[in-house]
Amino acid sequence: EVQLVESGGGLIKPGGSLRLSCAASGFTFSNAWMGWVRQAPGKGLEWVGRIRSKTDGGTTNYAAPVKGRFTISRDDSKNTLFLQMNSLETEDTAVYYCGTDWDGHRGSQGASWGQGTLVTVSS
Amino acid sequence: DIQMTQSPSTLSASVGDRVTITCRASQSINIWLAWYQQKPGKAPKLLIYKASSLESGVPSRFSGSGSGTEFTLTISSLQPEDFATYYCQHYNGDSRTFGQGTKVEVK
Repeated sequence: EVQLVESGGGLIKPGGSLRLSCAASGFTFSNAWMGWVRQAPGKGLEWVGRIRSKTDGGTTNYAAPVKGRFTISRDDSKNTLFLQMNSLETEDTAVYYCGTDWDGHRGSQGASWGQGTLVTVSS
Repeated sequence: DIQMTQSPSTLSASVGDRVTITCRASQSINIWLAWYQQKPGKAPKLLIYKASSLESGVPSRFSGSGSGTEFTLTISSLQPEDFATYYCQHYNGDSRTFGQGTKVEVK
C-alpha cells in the first residue's frame, strides 16, 4: 500500500525558513516523479512544484509564486522527499501535501497523496 | 502559463441526480487532464486521468470526457458520499494548474 507521510510544518515568522519532509513507502520511490501542492485555508488546491526521478534527470519545476524561494529535493536512499521553503510570506500559509506526479507507465498524474502538514506564516 | 477554468463554482443537487462539471483550458492540453475529489480536511483523491481513464477503485458512476480545451466530469447518479469539492488539473508539459474547484452540495 502506498503511504506518504508529511512532517515539518508549524508556525514560522515572515522571512523565515522551513523544511518539509515526506516519507514514502509501498512503492519504488527512486523511480517516481514526486510533487508538492498546497491549500490555503478555505481556498482551492495550488500546485507548488515537482521533481523528476534521477533516472529521468532529477530536474525540478516550480509554480511562479514560489520560484526562487522554494526548493524540492529527494533522498532516494531514505525514500524521502523534501520541500525547502525560504523567505516565507504570509501568503504561503497553507496545508502542504506531497504526492506522486507523472506516472509514465499509465500516463497518470497525482495518484497518491499524503495527509498534509500545516504551515502557518505569521508574526 | 495554462489557466484552468471550472464551472460552476457551486452545484446544488440531490441523491440520484446526474451531475456534470466543466473544465476549460486556456490552450490545448491534449488529453493531459486529471479530476480529483476532495472532502473537508482530507487529501485530494484521483478519480480520472488522461481525461477519461477511471482510476482503479473509483466507482463507474464517475466518467470523464473531452480533449484539447474542453473537458467534463460526469457523475451518473449522485450518491451521498459524492458531496464534496471537485478539481480539474492539467499536467501538460512542465507545469500543472488546478481549476478553482466545484463544490457539490445538497439541494
